[in-house]
Amino acid sequence: NAGVTQTPKFRVLKTGQSMTLLCAQDMNHEYMYWYRQDPGMGLRLIHYSVGEGTTAKGEVPDGYNVSRLKKQNFLLGLESAAPSQTSVYFCASTHRVGGETQYFGPGTRLLVL
Amino acid sequence: GQNIDQPTEMTATEGAIVQINCTYQTSGFNGLFWYQQHAGEAPTFLSYNVLDGLEEKGRFSSFLSRSKGYSYLLLKELQMKDSASYLCAVRNTGGFKTIFGAGTRLFVKA
Repeated sequence: NAGVTQTPKFRVLKTGQSMTLLCAQDMNHEYMYWYRQDPGMGLRLIHYSVGEGTTAKGEVPDGYNVSRLKKQNFLLGLESAAPSQTSVYFCASTHRVGGETQYFGPGTRLLVL
Repeated sequence: GQNIDQPTEMTATEGAIVQINCTYQTSGFNGLFWYQQHAGEAPTFLSYNVLDGLEEKGRFSSFLSRSKGYSYLLLKELQMKDSASYLCAVRNTGGFKTIFGAGTRLFVKA
């Protein structure tokens, strides 16, 4: 049971480049989330999904797109990276509502120059 | 609006007890979580409160007062490995979204 995995672990981009971050979970969770974490600001929700084929915007969705073609995968795309997107990105998943906590992936550190 | 406040930093001594407070204002409430996050790592679940009162789990306890919009995390018998950030998070009605506080960095000294 790998839990939640993220690929890649670290990436450096130049302004204007694009990339996709991959999140995979093997716990059959319905809900999946993408957060970014910046110093002093806590975790902020970018986009989330409540099931295969569905996505919704969170607090800070601008500049990002997502897709959930398979239940176990949640992709985060940056079409044209900007220095303001330098951050640590965490993916998380959970079962449908209840007392369930969110399970987090190890994070992706992204530096945009 | 939605807002979660917790102290930025705290320092405590090994073996002591420390209480980390969290106050929140949200448009709806469906549970409060505490997470621990060591530097460079992912957050990990510590506790969950949905009803008023105290939840105890080993050296960690968490308290909730929904009427006051207040929670605290109590850590007993502090160990050096407890040096980490502690995140307070509130799940809103509907269960889709969780709002996180900025976290409290706890330093445990010998």
